[in-house]
Amino acid sequence: GESVGLHLPTLSVQEGDNSIINCAYSNSASDYFIWYKQESGKGPQFIIDIRSNMDKRQGQRVTVLLNKTVKHLSLQIAATQPGDSAVYFCAENRAGDYKLSFGAGTTVTVRA
Amino acid sequence: EPEVTQTPSHQVTQMGQEVILRCVPISNHLYFYWYRQILGQKVEFLVSFYNNEISEKSEIFDDQFSVERPDGSNFTLKIRSTKLEDSAMYFCASSEGGIYGYTFGSGTRLTVV
Repeated sequence: GESVGLHLPTLSVQEGDNSIINCAYSNSASDYFIWYKQESGKGPQFIIDIRSNMDKRQGQRVTVLLNKTVKHLSLQIAATQPGDSAVYFCAENRAGDYKLSFGAGTTVTVRA
Repeated sequence: EPEVTQTPSHQVTQMGQEVILRCVPISNHLYFYWYRQILGQKVEFLVSFYNNEISEKSEIFDDQFSVERPDGSNFTLKIRSTKLEDSAMYFCASSEGGIYGYTFGSGTRLTVV
């Protein structure tokens, strides 16, 4: 079926290390992808997005990579900080559609 | 920075009661959405609203649910007769043009007892 999902439900990272969070999608019609961060008791917060005509996009301390061949999306966080501890979701959007389809989420815990 | 505001932050209601969840979208946004997140699960789309009508809804959004934009600033989700399984976080979102500028509120935690 069509779905967006994450490979691992949890990720424990040492402060200062880089984090990599993965996401697989199955719908080749998806053309826009977003990574969200959700802290406890809050709504999803936009981190970075990427369109299907790109394979890499960089933000402040974050990089999103898109591999359309294997339908894989990843979020890299450089120099992970305690404030990065949260649940991270990938979401996808299909052209002409305004709703987002979310994956299951990865809980990132940063160890001091 | 503009934000989507949701009230209340928590709501406890008895099964069978009606609830109305309220949202104030970002003022220049034209598209409005409701999503829900059952504890520990992923965020799920419920409904999108544009030009004063529902543009899309999911199979979750059955006849017990309705949305309304009663004035120029509020966007509400009504659940007519709540069930235990309606317990979840409900997120309102708005966007300025389709998928652009998509912003979520902090959510209303609904507990049905």
